[in-house]
Amino acid sequence: GAVVSQHPSRVICKSGTSVKIECRSLDFQATTMFWYRQFPKQSLMLMATSNEGSKATYEQGVEKDKFLINHASLTLSTLTVTSAHPEDSSFYICSALGRRNEQFFGPGTRLTVL
Amino acid sequence: DAKTTQPPSMDCAEGRAANLPCNHSTISGNEYVYWYRQIHSQGPQYIIHGLKNNETNEMASLIITEDRKSSTLILPHATLRDTAVYYCIVMRSGGGADGLTFGKGTHLIIQP
Repeated sequence: GAVVSQHPSRVICKSGTSVKIECRSLDFQATTMFWYRQFPKQSLMLMATSNEGSKATYEQGVEKDKFLINHASLTLSTLTVTSAHPEDSSFYICSALGRRNEQFFGPGTRLTVL
Repeated sequence: DAKTTQPPSMDCAEGRAANLPCNHSTISGNEYVYWYRQIHSQGPQYIIHGLKNNETNEMASLIITEDRKSSTLILPHATLRDTAVYYCIVMRSGGGADGLTFGKGTHLIIQP
């Protein structure tokens, strides 16, 4: 199956700083990527849909100015958590849409905000 | 997209077949049944999907009832590495482009 990578896999930062997470499709081009968030013992929740060359579409309740998404190429989408706070600590997972509308997920990024 | 109901947890002995049920009684004609799983602290992994015919691949088999109101994911020879949360998701054709709605899934625990 298609491979999606995320970097970093784990990040710890101080409150108030910004953190950038990269999502790459390694062996295929993805015009659409998705960003999910997962809190402990909960299910994944869709945050936003990222389309190459256009603005991301955010789910209700997700602040677009806090979670900046850039999809500048067919293989890379980035999520920047701006002015991170402890409540933003979570597991962030991206996925890339394949040709048959299946989603290939990255391994996730564990963000801890102190 | 139709809602699904899954048992919160199941146990299965290693080497035996694991049968995971999913109810989707409000599924409509153009909606597919997808199965994903998530091993602890990893991203979800696609397993299989189907519309109305039974499907099989190298990972699992998917049995969909004739009325399509329920389905069963079968892992034929479960191993310890199959311990994970399994998600049954109903989605219209092309609906993957809208993002996935994950329920609570079934936590499958394979016992040695």
